[in-house]
Amino acid sequence: AQKITQTQPGMFVQEKEAVTLDCTYDTSDPSYGLFWYKQPSSGEMIFLIYQGSYDQQNATEGRYSLNFQKARKSANLVISASQLGDSAMYFCAMREGSDTGRRALTFGSGTRLQVQP
Amino acid sequence: NAGVTQTPKFRILKIGQSMTLQCAQDMNHNYMYWYRQDPGMGLKLIYYSVGAGITDKGEVPNGYNVSRSTTEDFPLRLELAAPSQTSVYFCASRGDRGPSDTQYFGPGTRLTVL
Repeated sequence: AQKITQTQPGMFVQEKEAVTLDCTYDTSDPSYGLFWYKQPSSGEMIFLIYQGSYDQQNATEGRYSLNFQKARKSANLVISASQLGDSAMYFCAMREGSDTGRRALTFGSGTRLQVQP
Repeated sequence: NAGVTQTPKFRILKIGQSMTLQCAQDMNHNYMYWYRQDPGMGLKLIYYSVGAGITDKGEVPNGYNVSRSTTEDFPLRLELAAPSQTSVYFCASRGDRGPSDTQYFGPGTRLTVL
């Protein structure tokens, strides 16, 4: 069974500083994908970044980067130059490998990030 | 291009009532999903569909039913609502071009069962 663990229920960061949100995962499937989603107080789920298990380089999308350490089974999200609008819940999720067919996501419990001015 | 749409946004049900949560996508995606999010938690898979006419259970299917008669629509039916079904329900869809295909979520339906 797959599992995603986010050990930081809440984080604070000063505006313009960088912050790292932790995510560890457990799977026996060699093919998987890791996603980060942002959920602001309005409730929608916003896709941020994707990392495939066979990708050689860490994924980056603007101010977001994913620190992928395969041997440690970690996929931490790094947000550079935090902005007040980054205050939200952040979810790490893993997409099942190709053998299951359904390719659904398994989510962690989330980290609430608060950016302080 | 509206993406994934869900109706209603909010609903209050009495115990034992039934309702259908609507979900539609205009991206011609084959894969569609229903998740629920309980307070302070991540999302859990209720049902999914890999194409019109094909549906299957996820991790928490009890008390729910789905149908998929078209590519665009994937309604979720709640029969005999219970307080344990109080949650936020998200519909999502994804394409099938490859492993990096992202799931795109609708805005959610907040359901309260009293």
